[in-house]
Parts: sequence; structure tokens; C-alpha cells
Amino acid sequence: AQSVAQPEDQVNVAEGNPLTVKCTYSVSGNPYLFWYVQYPNRGLQFLLKYITGDNLVKGSYGFEAEFNKSQTSFHLKKPSALVSDSALYFCAVRYPLSGGYNKLIFGAGTRLAVHP
Amino acid sequence: EPEVTQTPSHQVTQMGQEVILRCVPISNHLYFYWYRQILGQKVEFLVSFYNNEISEKSEIFDDQFSVERPDGSNFTLKIRSTKLEDSAMYFCASSATSGRPDTQYFGPGTRLTVL
Repeated sequence: AQSVAQPEDQVNVAEGNPLTVKCTYSVSGNPYLFWYVQYPNRGLQFLLKYITGDNLVKGSYGFEAEFNKSQTSFHLKKPSALVSDSALYFCAVRYPLSGGYNKLIFGAGTRLAVHP
Repeated sequence: EPEVTQTPSHQVTQMGQEVILRCVPISNHLYFYWYRQILGQKVEFLVSFYNNEISEKSEIFDDQFSVERPDGSNFTLKIRSTKLEDSAMYFCASSATSGRPDTQYFGPGTRLTVL
């Protein structure tokens, strides 16, 4: 079955340090991969996406993600974390050439806590 | 920057009552979606809508649910007879087209509480 895994419920990092939020997906065709962020009492805000091309994708607020086909991963990264990055992060996948043409399949989410 | 808006932000209803959740997608978008997130669980796809008809729906989207685009701006989700297990955050999203891998932009959500 098509699925997305975010193996960490929470990631803790000190401000100024690099951060990584992990995401892996099940193999099925050529997926499109997305990261969204959710701040308290807010909706899901788009950060970045991988469709094709360069495996390193840059997005909003200094975030980037690397698509690794051999490891079926799409980890979110930032070189220097800010306290304001503290939020809930969701990885999502879309499989446009198989069943579920439009729908996003979400991971369970990872709570990022950046400490001063 | 254009945004998806949703009303109300919080809806409390009694079990068995009908509710209508409203969304205003981004104005030039053509595809509309509803997702829900039960507290502590994943965000789940419910339905997608294009050209005034459902293009895809999940097994969650049973006969109790319906969607409509009553005019040129609103997109609604109706639950005919709410159950306790319908309590969740409901997110509306829109995208320009599914012909290209366009990004889905989400609204702030409506928290539905069924008592």
C-alpha cells in the first residue's frame, strides 16, 4: 500500500544548530513529494516539493529537502534552526500515475522543538 | 498573497444533526479538496472535486458526506447526520490543475465537535 513514514514523533534541536526531519515513502511509480508545516491553530502551510530534476529542493524560510530514490527518502533540512521553526511538520506524497491521482497521502507528522 | 479561507473556525453540533462546512478556495484554482484530521491522527484525504463533479473520493467519504460548489466562489462539505466519530479538524484545499503536479494550498481548518 502507498504510505509515508515519519519515524520520529518529535525532534529537539538547539537554536543555531542544523535540523533534519525524516521522511520515507513506499515505492510505487514516480512519486511527487511535499513538505507542509502546521503552526498552532493554523492550517497546513506549503514549504517545498520535489517533482523531478535536481534532488536537492529549496523552499520557504531557508528549508530544503533531499530526494533520495535509492533510500526512498525525502528528509527536510535546515542549516541553522530558529526558535520560530518550532511547529508540526508533515511529509506528503502523491502518486500521479497510479490510483489516487490527486490525493495527498500524509505522514503522521513530526513535532520540531527548537530550544534557545 | 491569495489564501484559502474556511468558516466557521469551530462548529459544535449534536449527534444526528446536519452540518455544512464552508470554504472559499483561491480564486483562479480549478481543483478543490477536503481532508480531515482526527485528533492525534494523520491528515486523511476525503474527496477531490473538479468541473462540478467529484473526481476522486476515499472510503471515508460515504453517503453521509456530500460536496457542492453552489456558486463561483464557495465550496462546501455537508455531513447529513453527524456521528461522534466525525469530530475532527476539516481542511479545505485547492490547486490550479491536476494536469500538472500543482501544489495544494490549505485553509486554516474547521474544528468540528460532535456531542
